[in-house]
Amino acid sequence: KQEVTQIPAALSVPEGENLVLNCSFTDSAIYNLQWFRQDPGKGLTSLLLIQSSQREQTSGRLNASLDKSSGRSTLYIAASQPGDSATYLCAVQGSQGNLIFGKGTKLSVKP
Amino acid sequence: GAVVSQHPSRVICKSGTSVKIECRSLDFQATTMFWYRQFPKQSLMLMATSNEGSKATYEQGVEKDKFLINHASLTLSTLTVTSAHPEDSSFYICSARGSTSSSYEQYFGPGTRLTVT
Repeated sequence: KQEVTQIPAALSVPEGENLVLNCSFTDSAIYNLQWFRQDPGKGLTSLLLIQSSQREQTSGRLNASLDKSSGRSTLYIAASQPGDSATYLCAVQGSQGNLIFGKGTKLSVKP
Repeated sequence: GAVVSQHPSRVICKSGTSVKIECRSLDFQATTMFWYRQFPKQSLMLMATSNEGSKATYEQGVEKDKFLINHASLTLSTLTVTSAHPEDSSFYICSARGSTSSSYEQYFGPGTRLTVT
């Protein structure tokens, strides 16, 4: 059974800092891995999707990497801003098409 | 493109009543829709997967007679919580995947906050 773990559970950084969020999964047989952002009481915003054949994806200040063989992904946020404060969720998609989510990392960027 | 809406965004109901939540794909045809539930400070847990025109597939531990899912068209799926109880209070999120989505990407709705009193 696929399990997704995110470390740390919470992170507080000063504005401008670069940071890394970690995601690990137990079964490397995945179709893709996605990073989402969730603001309090809101739905999900897709940030980056990495296909199983890819190593990384970039969008603006965000860079996500995938090492399928070791079951790891990282989300790198450069020059963090207070507006980046949110919960970041990692999810892997298996053969059935369903997404399995981690519990998220709650990020707080202090001005 | 790829917008998914949910209605209502927030609902409060009394224990024992039924509540219907709608999930619509606004600009694409969703052959598959997924329903997730999220309890406070927990991650999203898949409840069921529905394909247009066929019965939903429920995850282990999810009561199919309590959470009725109908995916009658390529743009609409509904989740009905029957005889709701306070423990059903949660954040319900749907997602949709189109027939042309080669990457299997799912597009998420904004969620529905259900409070059962």
